[in-house]
Amino acid sequence: NAGVTQTPKFRVLKTGQSMTLLCAQDMNHEYMYWYRQDPGMGLRLIHYSVGEGTTAKGEVPDGYNVSRLKKQNFLLGLESAAPSQTSVYFCASQHNPGNTGELFFGEGSRLTVL
Amino acid sequence: GQQVMQIPQYQHVQEGEGFTTYCNSSTTLSNIQWYKQRPGGHPVFLIQLVKSGEVKKQKRLTFQFGEAKKNSSLHITATQTTDVGTYFCAEYSGTYKYIFGTGTRLKVLA
Repeated sequence: NAGVTQTPKFRVLKTGQSMTLLCAQDMNHEYMYWYRQDPGMGLRLIHYSVGEGTTAKGEVPDGYNVSRLKKQNFLLGLESAAPSQTSVYFCASQHNPGNTGELFFGEGSRLTVL
Repeated sequence: GQQVMQIPQYQHVQEGEGFTTYCNSSTTLSNIQWYKQRPGGHPVFLIQLVKSGEVKKQKRLTFQFGEAKKNSSLHITATQTTDVGTYFCAEYSGTYKYIFGTGTRLKVLA
């Protein structure tokens, strides 16, 4: 049981390049989230999904797009990377946020934009 | 918008001393969760608090939820080097998403 898997784990981009981060979960969870973590800023929610085919904006959605075509996968895209998007990105999934809705996190993807 | 203030930002303690981190919200919370992130790792769930005034214990960790459900605290008794990491609170906004506090980074000096 792999839990939540993120790929790639590390990536270096030049300003203006595009890329996609993949998050895959094997727990049949409905809810999935993308957070970014910067020093002193905690975890900030970028986008989230409450089920296959749905997406919604979080606290800091600008510059990112997401898709949830399959229940187990949640993709985060950067169309034109900027240095301000240098960060560690965490994906998380959750069975039910209203009750005992523990968030399960992936190991993170460290992105550097030069 | 909703803000989750967490204090202190950093704390250094001698091994064996106590440690407390506080989480304060600008709104009344539905529930609150606590996570621990080891250096270089990912956040790991510790506990969820739901009821007003609730107190839960996990070995040396004590979690409290305020009577007004606007604040929470995590206290560690007799810290050990294995307690090193960043502790986050995460509050449920009621719309499918959790908003995280800024975290408290704990360093334990042996």
